[in-house]
Amino acid sequence: GENVEQHPSTLSVQEGDSAVIKCTYSDSASNYFPWYKQELGKRPQLIIDIRSNVGEKKDQRIAVTLNKTAKHFSLHITETQPEDSAVYFCAGKNSGGGADGLTFGKGTHLIIQP
Amino acid sequence: DTGVSQDPRHKITKRGQNVTFRCDPISEHNRLYWYRQTLGQGPEFLTYFQNEAQLEKSRLLSDRFSAERPKGSFSTLEIQRTEQGDSAMYLCASSVGANSPLHFGNGTRLTVT
Repeated sequence: GENVEQHPSTLSVQEGDSAVIKCTYSDSASNYFPWYKQELGKRPQLIIDIRSNVGEKKDQRIAVTLNKTAKHFSLHITETQPEDSAVYFCAGKNSGGGADGLTFGKGTHLIIQP
Repeated sequence: DTGVSQDPRHKITKRGQNVTFRCDPISEHNRLYWYRQTLGQGPEFLTYFQNEAQLEKSRLLSDRFSAERPKGSFSTLEIQRTEQGDSAMYLCASSVGANSPLHFGNGTRLTVT
């Protein structure tokens, strides 16, 4: 099955700086990679996703890049703000295969220092 | 709020008791998923339904766990003979289809004493 590794586990950045979170996956057949943000005590919320037919996707201050050859993908947050503080999870799956469940990484606790 | 709703939000039970959780997905979503999340970890896939059919179960889903979605709408997750290791947040999610994003509920936090 799929295995998703995420790092770092904790990331502290100054407000206004950029943050980068990286994930690797093991199943070369995986083709869908979402990122979720989870604030303390709340539900995971999808912030951006990417499919394997594109290498990069951007939505305002958030971007995701995918390197299929190296089997890794990254989340980039620019001009960080205090409300970006949360736990971020990457995930992957092969949406065309028999296994439909997303495999999540262990999460990155992003701390935005004022 | 037309999002995924879960009930109860919290459940405290004694070891050995049975518990049942309910999930109401977004109304037009035909796929429904159950995940478990423990502190400091990402959600772990348990099982999913397409309409009323349970199509996949994780190896994490022991025989003490059973899930149903009898009419293809709401779903229940039952844990029999609870153990302390079952303490976790149980998250439900739904999606329109196989290649669509998952929308999570707020979860049911289970504490087994």
